[in-house]
Amino acid sequence: SQQGEEDPQALSIQEGENATMNCSYKTSINNLQWYRQNSGRGLVHLILIRSNEREKHSGRLRVTLDTSKKSSSLLITASRAADTASYFCATPPGGSYIPTFGRGTSLIVHP
Amino acid sequence: SQTIHQWPATLVQPVGSPLSLECTVEGTSNPNLYWYRQAAGRGLQLLFYSVGIGQISSEVPQNLSASRPQDRQFILSSKKLLLSDSGFYLCAWSMDRAGVYTGELFFGEGSRLTVL
Repeated sequence: SQQGEEDPQALSIQEGENATMNCSYKTSINNLQWYRQNSGRGLVHLILIRSNEREKHSGRLRVTLDTSKKSSSLLITASRAADTASYFCATPPGGSYIPTFGRGTSLIVHP
Repeated sequence: SQTIHQWPATLVQPVGSPLSLECTVEGTSNPNLYWYRQAAGRGLQLLFYSVGIGQISSEVPQNLSASRPQDRQFILSSKKLLLSDSGFYLCAWSMDRAGVYTGELFFGEGSRLTVL
């Protein structure tokens, strides 16, 4: 069964704007990961945040984790047309090491 | 550096025909290996994973099977395809350093299967 669910399902913004995607999950986790998938391609790992971390940065990406609310957010700042892709959160349920994926957020960045 | 190769990239098969998708990883040893399936507009469904040669765990009972004949080779097979087997199949690997799972999955480019 799916552990994580992304919200919104689709997001359309203009280049230069920030994009925020959210992920909610159901059970306790050891870590939460975000992946990116360009159309018709494999997934690429973006960032991993551990359960004892609250915020993590990587370039224009900022990830937050709130274990009390079982939620995470991915912020892409100053978005570019090349950021157009689907973004997935993935969480290994507590006791497991295998990530389960949500359905993803489809992000379109208009030039 | 590590690389993962998956083939074929695209496949159109008639119902009832056999299937073989192959995945190999280079530049690492003893990887954990995974097969996921992604239906159109859906998330990824874990089909099989393997922690070693000949060790296969199935997550979803169906007419697919997986094998790991070599350390860095993972094969997804079917004897008779169904229409519902259509989808985008993704192979992935992860590292297990000294018994500690590092977290990240590294994916191949995928194999798109259409069953007619």
